[in-house]
Amino acid sequence: AQRVTQPEKLLSVFKGAPVELKCNYSYSGSPELFWYVQYSRQRLQLLLRHISRESIKGFTADLNKGETSFHLKKPFAQEEDSAMYYCALSGVGAQKLVFGQGTRLTINP
Amino acid sequence: NAGVTQTPKFRILKIGQSMTLQCTQDMNHNYMYWYRQDPGMGLKLIYYSVGAGITDKGEVPNGYNVSRSTTEDFPLRLELAAPSQTSVYFCASRPTSGSYNEQFFGPGTRLTVL
Repeated sequence: AQRVTQPEKLLSVFKGAPVELKCNYSYSGSPELFWYVQYSRQRLQLLLRHISRESIKGFTADLNKGETSFHLKKPFAQEEDSAMYYCALSGVGAQKLVFGQGTRLTINP
Repeated sequence: NAGVTQTPKFRILKIGQSMTLQCTQDMNHNYMYWYRQDPGMGLKLIYYSVGAGITDKGEVPNGYNVSRSTTEDFPLRLELAAPSQTSVYFCASRPTSGSYNEQFFGPGTRLTVL
Protein backbone atom coordinates (compact mmCIF):
# COMPACT_ATOMS: atom_id res chain seq x y z
CA ALA A 1 0.00 0.00 0.00
CA GLN A 2 1.09 3.54 -0.68
CA ARG A 3 1.34 5.85 2.28
CA VAL A 4 2.82 9.28 2.90
CA THR A 5 3.50 10.54 6.40
CA GLN A 6 4.23 14.10 7.38
CA PRO A 7 4.87 13.92 11.11
CA GLU A 8 4.50 17.62 11.84
CA LYS A 9 1.08 19.22 11.47
CA LEU A 10 2.48 22.59 12.48
CA LEU A 11 5.98 24.02 12.14
CA SER A 12 7.02 27.47 13.22
CA VAL A 13 10.44 29.02 12.60
CA PHE A 14 11.91 32.49 12.60
CA LYS A 15 12.78 34.40 9.47
CA GLY A 16 16.30 33.60 8.36
CA ALA A 17 16.40 30.25 10.15
CA PRO A 18 16.71 26.94 8.27
CA VAL A 19 13.55 25.02 7.52
CA GLU A 20 13.02 21.30 7.12
CA LEU A 21 9.63 19.75 6.48
CA LYS A 22 9.68 16.02 6.90
CA CYS A 23 8.10 13.49 4.60
CA ASN A 24 8.33 9.71 4.81
CA TYR A 25 6.73 7.31 2.43
CA SER A 26 5.86 3.67 2.05
CA TYR A 27 5.78 2.17 -1.42
CA SER A 28 6.98 -1.13 -2.77
CA GLY A 29 7.76 0.02 -6.30
CA SER A 30 9.71 2.89 -7.82
CA PRO A 31 8.22 6.11 -6.43
CA GLU A 32 7.77 9.59 -7.78
CA LEU A 33 7.71 12.19 -5.01
CA PHE A 34 6.36 15.70 -5.08
CA TRP A 35 5.90 18.71 -2.84
CA TYR A 36 2.76 20.78 -3.31
CA VAL A 37 2.18 24.13 -1.60
CA GLN A 38 -0.95 26.12 -0.81
CA TYR A 39 -0.39 29.77 0.04
CA SER A 40 -3.14 31.71 1.78
CA ARG A 41 -6.08 32.32 -0.54
CA GLN A 42 -4.32 30.58 -3.42
CA ARG A 43 -4.70 27.25 -5.13
CA LEU A 44 -2.72 24.19 -4.34
CA GLN A 45 0.22 24.13 -6.73
CA LEU A 46 3.26 22.02 -7.46
CA LEU A 47 6.40 23.26 -5.75
CA LEU A 48 8.91 20.68 -6.89
CA ARG A 49 9.32 17.06 -7.90
CA HIS A 50 12.20 14.75 -7.12
CA ILE A 51 12.81 13.76 -10.71
CA SER A 52 13.70 17.32 -11.68
CA ARG A 53 16.29 17.72 -8.92
CA GLU A 54 15.67 21.45 -9.00
CA SER A 55 15.57 24.28 -6.48
CA ILE A 56 12.36 26.28 -6.43
CA LYS A 57 12.06 29.44 -4.33
CA GLY A 58 15.17 28.28 -2.49
CA PHE A 59 13.63 24.93 -1.55
CA THR A 60 15.24 21.60 -2.32
CA ALA A 61 14.25 18.03 -1.60
CA ASP A 62 16.29 14.89 -2.02
CA LEU A 63 14.78 11.46 -2.39
CA ASN A 64 16.43 9.05 0.04
CA LYS A 65 15.29 5.58 -0.93
CA GLY A 66 17.19 3.97 1.93
CA GLU A 67 15.33 6.00 4.52
CA THR A 68 12.19 6.30 2.36
CA SER A 69 12.17 10.03 2.91
CA PHE A 70 11.73 13.16 0.82
CA HIS A 71 12.30 16.03 3.22
CA LEU A 72 11.88 19.62 2.02
CA LYS A 73 14.62 22.04 3.01
CA LYS A 74 15.44 25.70 2.77
CA PRO A 75 18.53 27.24 4.36
CA PHE A 76 17.02 30.65 5.14
CA ALA A 77 13.29 30.95 5.67
CA GLN A 78 11.37 33.95 4.41
CA GLU A 79 8.01 35.26 5.60
CA GLU A 80 6.44 34.52 2.22
CA ASP A 81 7.20 30.83 2.76
CA SER A 82 4.35 30.63 5.25
CA ALA A 83 1.89 28.16 3.72
CA MET A 84 0.49 24.65 3.84
CA TYR A 85 2.85 22.06 2.38
CA TYR A 86 1.85 18.63 1.16
CA CYS A 87 4.12 15.78 0.24
CA ALA A 88 2.71 13.46 -2.42
CA LEU A 89 3.62 10.09 -3.86
CA SER A 90 2.90 8.31 -7.11
CA GLY A 91 4.14 5.19 -8.76
CA VAL A 92 5.98 5.67 -12.05
CA GLY A 93 3.33 6.09 -14.74
CA ALA A 94 0.52 5.84 -12.19
CA GLN A 95 -2.70 7.77 -12.53
CA LYS A 96 -3.12 8.88 -8.94
CA LEU A 97 -1.31 10.78 -6.23
CA VAL A 98 -1.35 9.94 -2.54
CA PHE A 99 -1.00 12.97 -0.31
CA GLY A 100 0.36 13.29 3.18
CA GLN A 101 -1.55 15.02 5.95
CA GLY A 102 0.14 18.34 5.33
CA THR A 103 2.35 20.63 7.40
CA ARG A 104 1.39 24.22 8.09
CA LEU A 105 4.57 26.26 8.06
CA THR A 106 4.61 29.64 9.78
CA ILE A 107 7.58 31.97 9.44
CA ASN A 108 7.79 34.44 12.28
CA PRO A 109 9.33 37.88 11.68
CA ASN B 1 -6.78 29.93 -20.05
CA ALA B 2 -8.87 29.90 -16.90
CA GLY B 3 -7.39 26.55 -15.89
CA VAL B 4 -9.58 24.59 -13.48
CA THR B 5 -12.71 26.36 -12.31
CA GLN B 6 -15.11 25.26 -9.58
CA THR B 7 -18.56 26.43 -8.59
CA PRO B 8 -19.87 27.31 -6.11
CA LYS B 9 -17.17 28.71 -3.85
CA PHE B 10 -19.24 28.22 -0.72
CA ARG B 11 -22.40 26.31 0.10
CA ILE B 12 -24.38 25.40 3.17
CA LEU B 13 -26.61 22.35 2.94
CA LYS B 14 -29.11 20.82 5.28
CA ILE B 15 -28.83 17.14 6.14
CA GLY B 16 -30.42 15.06 3.41
CA GLN B 17 -30.25 17.71 0.70
CA SER B 18 -28.54 17.08 -2.61
CA MET B 19 -26.20 19.19 -4.67
CA THR B 20 -23.71 19.07 -7.51
CA LEU B 21 -20.27 20.59 -7.33
CA GLN B 22 -19.18 21.75 -10.74
CA CYS B 23 -15.66 21.43 -12.15
CA THR B 24 -14.50 22.56 -15.58
CA GLN B 25 -11.06 22.72 -17.14
CA ASP B 26 -10.04 24.34 -20.41
CA MET B 27 -6.62 22.73 -20.79
CA ASN B 28 -7.86 19.66 -22.68
CA HIS B 29 -6.62 17.41 -19.89
CA ASN B 30 -7.76 13.82 -19.95
CA TYR B 31 -7.29 13.11 -16.25
CA MET B 32 -9.52 14.76 -13.68
CA TYR B 33 -9.80 14.25 -9.92
CA TRP B 34 -11.97 15.14 -6.96
CA TYR B 35 -10.44 15.46 -3.49
CA ARG B 36 -11.71 16.44 -0.11
CA GLN B 37 -9.51 18.29 2.33
CA ASP B 38 -10.16 17.89 6.03
CA PRO B 39 -8.03 19.57 8.72
CA GLY B 40 -5.12 17.36 9.72
CA MET B 41 -6.12 14.69 7.23
CA GLY B 42 -4.59 15.96 4.03
CA LEU B 43 -6.26 15.42 0.69
CA LYS B 44 -8.27 12.27 0.13
CA LEU B 45 -9.18 11.15 -3.37
CA ILE B 46 -12.92 10.72 -3.88
CA TYR B 47 -13.21 9.86 -7.57
CA TYR B 48 -11.12 10.26 -10.66
CA SER B 49 -11.48 9.97 -14.42
CA VAL B 50 -8.95 9.16 -17.13
CA GLY B 51 -11.16 10.40 -19.96
CA ALA B 52 -14.68 11.11 -21.08
CA GLY B 53 -16.98 8.24 -20.17
CA ILE B 54 -14.54 6.65 -17.72
CA THR B 55 -14.64 7.12 -13.95
CA ASP B 56 -13.22 5.21 -11.03
CA LYS B 57 -13.42 5.28 -7.26
CA GLY B 58 -10.74 6.76 -5.11
CA GLU B 59 -10.10 6.31 -1.41
CA VAL B 60 -13.32 7.81 -0.03
CA PRO B 61 -16.12 7.45 -2.64
CA ASN B 62 -19.06 6.66 -0.35
CA GLY B 63 -21.82 9.24 -0.50
CA TYR B 64 -20.66 10.70 -3.81
CA ASN B 65 -21.19 10.13 -7.50
CA VAL B 66 -19.50 11.49 -10.60
CA SER B 67 -19.95 11.56 -14.32
CA ARG B 68 -17.66 12.51 -17.20
CA SER B 69 -19.63 13.16 -20.35
CA THR B 70 -17.09 15.60 -21.80
CA THR B 71 -13.36 16.16 -21.50
CA GLU B 72 -13.95 19.55 -19.90
CA ASP B 73 -16.48 18.77 -17.16
CA PHE B 74 -16.32 16.51 -14.12
CA PRO B 75 -19.23 17.21 -11.74
CA LEU B 76 -19.40 15.69 -8.25
CA ARG B 77 -22.85 14.79 -6.92
CA LEU B 78 -23.85 14.53 -3.27
CA GLU B 79 -27.20 12.76 -3.05
CA LEU B 80 -28.00 12.80 0.67
CA ALA B 81 -25.77 15.28 2.43
CA ALA B 82 -24.44 14.29 5.84
CA PRO B 83 -22.44 16.32 8.39
CA SER B 84 -19.43 14.07 7.68
CA GLN B 85 -19.32 15.57 4.21
CA THR B 86 -18.50 18.99 5.58
CA SER B 87 -15.17 19.70 3.94
CA VAL B 88 -13.33 21.66 1.31
CA TYR B 89 -13.54 20.00 -2.09
CA PHE B 90 -10.88 20.37 -4.73
CA CYS B 91 -11.01 19.42 -8.36
CA ALA B 92 -7.80 18.83 -10.27
CA SER B 93 -6.71 17.85 -13.75
CA ARG B 94 -3.58 16.79 -15.58
CA PRO B 95 -2.61 15.79 -19.11
CA THR B 96 -2.10 12.17 -19.97
CA SER B 97 1.63 12.40 -20.42
CA GLY B 98 4.60 14.72 -20.24
CA SER B 99 3.73 16.28 -16.91
CA TYR B 100 5.33 13.83 -14.48
CA ASN B 101 2.03 13.65 -12.66
CA GLU B 102 1.69 17.39 -12.01
CA GLN B 103 -1.91 18.08 -11.18
CA PHE B 104 -3.52 21.49 -11.62
CA PHE B 105 -6.01 22.41 -8.94
CA GLY B 106 -9.13 24.48 -8.82
CA PRO B 107 -9.81 27.07 -6.10
CA GLY B 108 -11.98 24.75 -4.04
CA THR B 109 -15.56 24.62 -2.79
CA ARG B 110 -16.18 24.97 0.94
CA LEU B 111 -19.20 22.88 1.88
CA THR B 112 -20.93 22.88 5.26
CA VAL B 113 -23.67 20.37 6.06
CA LEU B 114 -25.84 21.26 9.05
